[in-house]
Amino acid sequence: QQPVQSPQAVILREGEDAVINCSSSKALYSVHWYRQKHGEAPVFLMILLKGGEQKGHDKISASFNEKKQQSSLYLTASQLSYSGTYFCGTESRSNYQLIWGAGTKLIIKP
Amino acid sequence: NAGVTQTPKFRVLKTGQSMTLLCAQDMNHEYMYWYRQDPGMGLRLIHYSVGEGTTAKGEVPDGYNVSRLKKQNFLLGLESAAPSQTSVYFCASSYGLAGNTDTQYFGPGTRLTVL
Repeated sequence: QQPVQSPQAVILREGEDAVINCSSSKALYSVHWYRQKHGEAPVFLMILLKGGEQKGHDKISASFNEKKQQSSLYLTASQLSYSGTYFCGTESRSNYQLIWGAGTKLIIKP
Repeated sequence: NAGVTQTPKFRVLKTGQSMTLLCAQDMNHEYMYWYRQDPGMGLRLIHYSVGEGTTAKGEVPDGYNVSRLKKQNFLLGLESAAPSQTSVYFCASSYGLAGNTDTQYFGPGTRLTVL
């Protein structure tokens, strides 16, 4: 079942902060975050594993609440380059598959 | 080091025609994936492979077949294309050393239109 991302879209001024949420109805093993710019391939940002281990980007942080099956991506002091669509991919059991959310479109204005 | 490449970049088919999309990676990755991306729906897994000679079905496998005869290549076939298969197709690969909790590297995509 597809995880739910919120908000669907957000518009910010450069330097403002953003939070993107990903929620699943299933117990999660891990959550993956990717960013996709228009016409390009998705690019890896972050993996959050059950148990607290986090791997990924040094300018973007994230949290993973295993009990609530939720993850949040935090973009601090946003830059123009942060614009794009952010996707979360959730893994509910170790079967080599990620189920992806519909995406959150982030627009950063100067 | 080219990473993940996909051939072709664009293709237009008529209903009922067949075609094969080629994905190649030069990172010695074990796992490879084929996704389709439709507007507003994110990525959906079609088929995947956890090693040479092995394939498995994903979320939306109907109408597609795959083969992984060589570790570096993963082929996606459409035997009889339908307009519902109009989409952008992405291939991805990962090391697979820690199961599937691993970074996926994506190719540039193939934009397919079925008339």
